[in-house]
Parts: sequence; structure tokens; C-alpha cells
Amino acid sequence: DADVTQTPRNRITKTGKRIMLECSQTKGHDRMYWYRQDPGLGLRLIYYSFDVKDINKGEISDGYSVSRQAQAKFSLSLESAIPNQTALYFCATSLGGGEYNEQFFGPGTRLTVL
Amino acid sequence: QKEVEQNSGPLSVPEGAIASLNCTYSDRGSQSFFWYRQYSGKSPELIMFIYSNGDKEDGRFTAQLNKASQYVSLLIRDSQPSDSATYLCAVNMNRDDKIIFGKGTRLHILP
Repeated sequence: DADVTQTPRNRITKTGKRIMLECSQTKGHDRMYWYRQDPGLGLRLIYYSFDVKDINKGEISDGYSVSRQAQAKFSLSLESAIPNQTALYFCATSLGGGEYNEQFFGPGTRLTVL
Repeated sequence: QKEVEQNSGPLSVPEGAIASLNCTYSDRGSQSFFWYRQYSGKSPELIMFIYSNGDKEDGRFTAQLNKASQYVSLLIRDSQPSDSATYLCAVNMNRDDKIIFGKGTRLHILP
């Protein structure tokens, strides 16, 4: 089945550590996204990519960076993790914009920064 | 004004009744609207999308769109305990073709 996968599913790390969250998709979609979700704050966009050569900041990009290694792979890095980056992180893909912008989500990565 | 607004709830509805979830948005040019359901700790999944003014029905779910009022809603008929979840409204913003999510409404179906 075409799918969006994320690794790791759970991660506990310490303040100051660099970590990478990985996302892969077999849906053949050009567009990929990274969101974080915090209780009461909903889904907030961190970075998005409309194709391999296109990377854009979302509303909360400070402290994060991304790499689009291929159409199918989009990684999120926390350069120096801090406790308020503790959250549930989702990768998503979409076929295109407008009516084609249905977001297909991965299972999520639960990140805890101590 | 927030870009996509939803009442956070919780909204409690008796089993078998109609649940009504509402959403307003700020970008008047937006054309595409989506409703997602999210169970606790799980990823959001699409329930319905709507592009045209009026009603769109799919099984027990009906999406309603009023672009003049910048308002979109989701009705769930014959509510079941399995409908208890958080419902996210998402709007494709016309200005930059990105999706903006509301914070979600928590729905509790009372047995």
C-alpha cells in the first residue's frame, strides 16, 4: 500500500542534542510537509516543500531545518534540541494545491526533550 | 482574526443524535475545505472535502459551505461512540496555496 512512514516513532533526547526525524513516502506526491502538534495549539506548519528544489519556512521554523533528499524523502532536524520542542511531529504529503491539497499524514513521531 | 477558527469544545452529544461542528476562516478567496478526524495519539485522517457552496453528503457525514459568510460545518448524523474524537477543519488558503488547520473541536458521544 502507498504510504507515509516516519522514523523513529518515539524519541527521548536531552537538551542540546542534534536529532533528525525522517519521513518517506511511496505516494509519488511532490509536496511534503512537517507539522508539530501540541495540546491546545493544533497542527502548526514547520517547513514545507512543493518539489525537490523548493523548501519553504512555515509559521514556526526557528530551531528547525529540513532536507529534501529526493521526491520521496523529507527530513526534519533539530540542531540543538530544547524542552519546548517536546511535541508530536507529523510528516504529510499532498498531490498538489487547491482541491488536490488533501494532506496524507504519517503515523507521527513523539519527541521528548529532557 | 485567526485564520481558521473552531470552538475547542468539548462538545457532548448523545448517541444517535446529530453532532454539529463549525469552522470560520479569514481568507475570503479560499476555495477548498477539508474535515479531518483525529483520535488521541493518532494521525489525522480525511473525512470529507468540499469546494462548492451548499451541502455535500457522504454516508452519515454532511459538509456545508457558505463562502459569503466564510463558514464551513460538518454534521454527523446518528452519532456513534466511535465518532468521539477531535475534528480538524482545514482551509486551503488562496493567497499561498497552503493548508491552515484549525485547533480542532473535541467531540464526545455519550452512550
